[in-house]
Amino acid sequence: GIQVEQSPPDLILQEGANSTLRCNFSDSVNNLQWFHQNPWGQLINLFYIPSGTKQNGRLSATTVATERYSLLYISSSQTTDSGVYFCAVGPYNQGGKLIFGQGTELSVKP
Amino acid sequence: GAGVSQSPSNKVTEKGKDVELRCDPISGHTALYWYRQSLGQGLEFLIYFQGNSAPDKSGLPSDRFSAERTGGSVSTLTIQRTQQEDSAVYLCASRVPGTSANEQFFGPGTRLTVL
Repeated sequence: GIQVEQSPPDLILQEGANSTLRCNFSDSVNNLQWFHQNPWGQLINLFYIPSGTKQNGRLSATTVATERYSLLYISSSQTTDSGVYFCAVGPYNQGGKLIFGQGTELSVKP
Repeated sequence: GAGVSQSPSNKVTEKGKDVELRCDPISGHTALYWYRQSLGQGLEFLIYFQGNSAPDKSGLPSDRFSAERTGGSVSTLTIQRTQQEDSAVYLCASRVPGTSANEQFFGPGTRLTVL
């Protein structure tokens, strides 16, 4: 089956710093979503981005489907950005089920 | 509008007992998914319902797990004869109508602890 790899696994930042999280996947997909899991375990939708570039405030994401990777950019990080960031992809012809990466655990220090 | 809701939020049970977990999808979402998140396995797909079609059960880990969806809305995930390895957070998601590629939204999860 499709493999999803996220890097780095852990990241510690000082408040105000910028960061880039990466998601590589091993086969073509028709869905790609980025989530932030908050301390209570809720998965918060950040981006639905099977291709192209999107921006939402301090966050932006780019997916290059032909090269099978996606990037999540966090600028001017804040302590509230801490948590685990997941990339999930939807393989073709599998009903939309999502395959998740192992996540990047981000800690932003004041 | 209201998001995906799940109940209970926490469930503690004894090994060997049966449990039922409930999911209410976003109104109008015809596709519903169950996933679970455990320390050893990360986030993994369990089962998928789309309208009146037969569900995709390919992710269910054993025949102790089953799910149903009544009236095209609420879904119940049942785990029979629970084992300690079933301890995990069970997440439900529903998908924006249209193609299977559309965006999914997740509920808050049910944390299951099997003693």
